[in-house]
Amino acid sequence: EAQVTQNPRYLITVTGKKLTVTCSQNMNHEYMSWYRQDPGLGLRQIYYSMNVEVTDKGDVPEGYKVSRKEKRNFPLILESPSPNQTSLYFCASSPSGQGARGRQETQYFGPGTRLLVL
Amino acid sequence: SQKIEQNSEALNIQEGKTATLTCNYTNYSPAYLQWYRQDPGRGPVFLLLIRENEKEKRKERLKVTFDTTLKQSLFHITASQPADSATYLCALNTGFQKLVFGTGTRLLVSP
Repeated sequence: EAQVTQNPRYLITVTGKKLTVTCSQNMNHEYMSWYRQDPGLGLRQIYYSMNVEVTDKGDVPEGYKVSRKEKRNFPLILESPSPNQTSLYFCASSPSGQGARGRQETQYFGPGTRLLVL
Repeated sequence: SQKIEQNSEALNIQEGKTATLTCNYTNYSPAYLQWYRQDPGRGPVFLLLIRENEKEKRKERLKVTFDTTLKQSLFHITASQPADSATYLCALNTGFQKLVFGTGTRLLVSP
């Protein structure tokens, strides 16, 4: 089954304790992205990756890191989590980037990771 | 500043009626616009995509219009059912390798 998976689905942690949220897709997609979703603010992009070893900042990258060593995996790293990073996080992928006019592709979202930082 | 606006208030309608949701944007020139459905605690699911040179797109009971002059998209669900109750998100391609999402409108369909 074609899907995007995320782990863990739920996580409670304390301020400053490094954590990683994994994301994996089995569709051979080039483009992957991380979003956070907060009430009243909607989905905001954190980082995205056009392909292996190619990553770039989204709208809210502060406090986050990513890596793309393999095409299928795109982990999100919080080096020193803070309470304002408490949120619902989604990973998404699409066959290629969204930017080229004439190529319009949908994003496939993972199930989400609910993070609480105390 | 760039903005995407969707009605933050929930839309309540009776089963069988047509639901119409609005997405307005400013200071964008999107090549295309997408609509997603999101159920509580779950990831968004793609529904429809409409390009800048298309006025209307249909898929089963769903219809999307796109007016680049008004900078507005309308999303219609005809013969609505309680199972259509969810939050609906619009998303614009900004031309910088990403989609920008609106905050969504919650639709409640009563039996």
